Amino acid sequence: DQQVKQNSPSLSVQEGRISILNCDYTNSMFDYFLWYKKYPAEGPTFLISISSIKDKNEDGRFTVFLNKSAKHLSLHIVPSQPGDSAVYFCAGADGGSQGNLIFGKGTKLSVKP
Amino acid sequence: DTGVSQNPRHKITKRGQNVTFRCDPISEHNRLYWYRQTLGQGPEFLTYFQNEAQLEKSRLLSDRFSAERPKGSFSTLEIQRTEQGDSAMYLCASTGDSAYEQYFGPGTRLTVT
Repeated sequence: DQQVKQNSPSLSVQEGRISILNCDYTNSMFDYFLWYKKYPAEGPTFLISISSIKDKNEDGRFTVFLNKSAKHLSLHIVPSQPGDSAVYFCAGADGGSQGNLIFGKGTKLSVKP
Repeated sequence: DTGVSQNPRHKITKRGQNVTFRCDPISEHNRLYWYRQTLGQGPEFLTYFQNEAQLEKSRLLSDRFSAERPKGSFSTLEIQRTEQGDSAMYLCASTGDSAYEQYFGPGTRLTVT
């Protein structure tokens, strides 16, 4: 059973507009969530995270929103840039684990100039 | 700091052969993780080390897989009697104080023919 679901395999956005990537989770024990970005032939790169005690975390152009009651989080990128084109992975972590991250399947974002 | 490095970057082997991959984490990081990523999936946790101690293993880590981190620095992942289903990208990640914000290496792509 998939504990972290990214239901959109791909997303295409115009440069300068907002990109919204969505993620749903089923494990109620998750207390920390992360977004990673991955370019081809590279490993995932940490982007932004949020603790379950918060509902929003912002870092420059990137904002993550968490809705615990809906078990849903989203990543907003404003404004989107062509260099943001990559695969974005959502991950959850159980506070009782040792950092075992559970990843979704990823969403491929394409930002068109 | 040169980041997490992995060698080799690519490995092609015949079914039944043994293979070994190496991961060099960021030097001051005491936590080290191995993940496996297959096509269209997110990374899946395999095992975790804190210093030289292997503290957690996924049920994905069959008895053909063994991982070591002998001096708490670099780590090796060995797969014995490889099978075609072992074909995947093997990712290593390390972290220091935060168990969650993990830094990934570029991965080793294994192809079993």
